[in-house]
Amino acid sequence: GAGVSQSPSNKVTEKGKDVELRCDPISGHTALYWYRQSLGQGLEFLIYFQGNSAPDKSGLPSDRFSAERTGGSVSTLTIQRTQQEDSAVYLCASSPRQGARGRTEAFFGQGTRLTVV
Amino acid sequence: AQSVTQLGSHVSVSEGALVLLRCNYSSSVPPYLFWYVQYPNQGLQLLLKYTTGATLVKGINGFEAEFKKSETSFHLTKPSAHMSDAAEYFCAVSESSGDKLTFGTGTRLAVRP
Repeated sequence: GAGVSQSPSNKVTEKGKDVELRCDPISGHTALYWYRQSLGQGLEFLIYFQGNSAPDKSGLPSDRFSAERTGGSVSTLTIQRTQQEDSAVYLCASSPRQGARGRTEAFFGQGTRLTVV
Repeated sequence: AQSVTQLGSHVSVSEGALVLLRCNYSSSVPPYLFWYVQYPNQGLQLLLKYTTGATLVKGINGFEAEFKKSETSFHLTKPSAHMSDAAEYFCAVSESSGDKLTFGTGTRLAVRP
């Protein structure tokens, strides 16, 4: 498709289980971001990939969270040993390569709603 | 470090009234500024952005925002609210092209008939 695609759209998991969330960015976009949206918390930055550079992991809340991006395209966010406070909507976005100031828009997917029970 | 402050987590206006959603930012370099809208159960959609040039930026659905460097503000306005404008609005800042966005906590806009 033409937009950012995330799967699954909804995920219910038991506390302590691992989960994987997938993001397919827009073709050709070199930047990819993961954000977390919790009720009343706004949008929290998690991790950022830009081309072949080392990812900016400064937003990951704990070592239970990790993400990878294979072949500069698809990204997977993994949460190990999930906790109830991990329940949130996880949003992925992508944007074109760095360049002219005009090319700055990030396009967001619909998100994955994660519920840890 | 960059940051965004949105004053008012909830704003309610009457249909046809002026919409004003406030956003103040801090950035160590000339900022890129954005407003995104999120309708219920949907992802974020870009309303408008400021990167360089004209400080009054027009976006979709009749919204506009003005970059005021002296006030470090980027308030969002619309002259006449419509029922379909009811949504959550997020202001965001980044420090370079394609860089990560730092978001405000959002303002939920309600439009009364």
